[in-house]
Amino acid sequence: QSALTQPASVSGSPGQSITISCTGTSSDVGGYNYVSWYQQHPGKAPKLMIYDVSKRPSGVSNRFSGSKSGNTASLTISGLQAEDEADYYCCSYAGSSTVVFGGGTKLTVL
Amino acid sequence: QVQLQESGPGLVKPSQTLSLTCTVSGGSISSGSYYWSWIRQPAGKGLEWIGRIYTSGSTNYNPSLKSRVTISVDTSKNQFSLKLSSVTAADTAVYYCARAPRERYMDVWGKGTTVTVSS
Repeated sequence: QSALTQPASVSGSPGQSITISCTGTSSDVGGYNYVSWYQQHPGKAPKLMIYDVSKRPSGVSNRFSGSKSGNTASLTISGLQAEDEADYYCCSYAGSSTVVFGGGTKLTVL
Repeated sequence: QVQLQESGPGLVKPSQTLSLTCTVSGGSISSGSYYWSWIRQPAGKGLEWIGRIYTSGSTNYNPSLKSRVTISVDTSKNQFSLKLSSVTAADTAVYYCARAPRERYMDVWGKGTTVTVSS
């Protein structure tokens, strides 16, 4: 069970859109429509932003959206805002009642 | 709304057992079909899922930690606990407890507690 692969960092200017990728295998990301995304500000606990690939919990802005193609899931943030600057982690069901996280991506809002 | 709070020693000696408790407030740990999970994060690094317990008491663990981990629940105290044996410096991390409506995602997290393994 290896960690999912995410880019170490991405950046964008306010108002722009950015996409963070999360690559796994057919045993995790590609095998199930069970990818979730978490936002983590420095010194804070992670916050659920997307679950089951593309579903948003109540209270999460519709500027956040998720998708998946094959073994790669993606998180897109549109209309980038300063408050979106944070670390983002993907997580996938990996079979046998286990989950695996990605290594995390640092989003910088320029 | 449901809140989770981790507690336990902040310092554990190598080879000893790390023990943490997560107290659930704002709701009963045994109501609803929830999983109660532990996740950790070494300083400056990513998240690692440790394991979970269901309200029925059934457990699932990360294969890489399974031999050292025990998660249990005490419904009378509205708490669930983590024990990690034979700890080393590599187990130094912030430990989070979380609620999971399904096995595959966690919707409510505690604030985390830092555990350092050092003599």
